[in-house]
Amino acid sequence: AQKVTQAQTEISVVEKEDVTLDCVYETRDTTYYLFWYKQPPSGELVFLIRRNSFDEQNEISGRYSWNFQKSTSSFNFTITASQVVDSAVYFCALSENSGGGADGLTFGKGTHLIIQP
Amino acid sequence: DAGVTQSPTHLIKTRGQQVTLRCSPKSGHDTVSWYQQALGQGPQFIFQYYEEEERQRGNFPDRFSGHQFPNYSSELNVNALLLGDSALYLCASSLGRGDNQPQHFGDGTRLSIL
Repeated sequence: AQKVTQAQTEISVVEKEDVTLDCVYETRDTTYYLFWYKQPPSGELVFLIRRNSFDEQNEISGRYSWNFQKSTSSFNFTITASQVVDSAVYFCALSENSGGGADGLTFGKGTHLIIQP
Repeated sequence: DAGVTQSPTHLIKTRGQQVTLRCSPKSGHDTVSWYQQALGQGPQFIFQYYEEEERQRGNFPDRFSGHQFPNYSSELNVNALLLGDSALYLCASSLGRGDNQPQHFGDGTRLSIL
């Protein structure tokens, strides 16, 4: 069975600090997909990134960066120079490839990130 | 370009009643997935519809059922409501083919059971 663990329930930092959100996953499949979503107080889940199991290259998008390490089954998310607008709940999610198309996602419990001005 | 839309926004029901939630996918998407998100938890996968059929299902009882229409919109039905069904219900749409395209979510329907 697949599982996603986000051990950090809540993180609070002061604006402009860097912060890393941890994600550890479990799966028996060799082909799988990892995602990060952001959920602001409004409730809508906003897609941030997708990574497949064969692509271990780290990715940077502006102030956001992701570190995928298959050896430790981790897919961590770093925000550089955090801003108040980054305050939200962040979810890591996993999907196994059942043969084509989008599959149901298994989410972690989320990390509530609070950026204080 | 309209995103995923869900209706209603909020709903209050009593135990034992039945409820229907609706979802219109993002333009160009043909697959709809439903999730239940309890307060303070991550979303849990209920089921997914593609080509008007249930393609995949999570660990939810038969009280939860759905439907997909030819225009790809979808309904989630819950019968014999329990207090524990109180949650935010999220609909997500995506393309059904290809290598696991990202799912795009709507704002959700907040269901309260009294």
